[in-house]
Amino acid sequence: GQQLNQSPQSMFIQEGEDVSMNCTSSSIFNTWLWYKQEPGEGPVLLIALYKAGELTSNGRLTAQFGITRKDSFLNISASIPSDVGIYFCAGPSSGSARQLTFGSGTQLTVLP
Amino acid sequence: EPEVTQTPSHQVTQMGQEVILRCVPISNHLYFYWYRQILGQKVEFLVSFYNNEISEKSEIFDDQFSVERPDGSNFTLKIRSTKLEDSAMYFCASRSRVAGRSYEQYFGPGTRLTVT
Repeated sequence: GQQLNQSPQSMFIQEGEDVSMNCTSSSIFNTWLWYKQEPGEGPVLLIALYKAGELTSNGRLTAQFGITRKDSFLNISASIPSDVGIYFCAGPSSGSARQLTFGSGTQLTVLP
Repeated sequence: EPEVTQTPSHQVTQMGQEVILRCVPISNHLYFYWYRQILGQKVEFLVSFYNNEISEKSEIFDDQFSVERPDGSNFTLKIRSTKLEDSAMYFCASRSRVAGRSYEQYFGPGTRLTVT
């Protein structure tokens, strides 16, 4: 099946720093979704990418759909304490149900 | 803003008991999903539901699991005879068919199932 690999697995950064994480796939995706999950909560959709090469922003978050369609990147600028959480990439299957395959996540810790 | 809701937030049950997890998807959405997340692991797909029937299911979704949309708003996941390894967070998700955003799934807050 489709596999999504995220790196790094975890990050410890100082408040105010920029963050970059990525997601790679063994196969092509036509859509990339980035979610954030806080402890005990469900994943919250941050950004959706629909076109190879697309760069999309949501506040301090910017995500890019890789040209090869096998990768995607998420950047967070000027991190703040509430950015803490696990960031997951996800891609829909090619079947009619479009169920999501999730990456293993990047755990972000922001130190004051 | 419309959101997916789930009840209960936490369910503790004994091995072998039946549980029903409930979800109310976003009202104009047409596709519904259940996912689970074992503690510390990634989110895994269980089943999708469209037009009152299962459209896809994973290997995890065996005969012990069933889904139902008993009325126009609720979407349920039943586990017939729970096992210890069913302990996990269960998330409901839904999506619409709006052109250009049709792959975006919105998740509920989850039900933490603990099987003892």
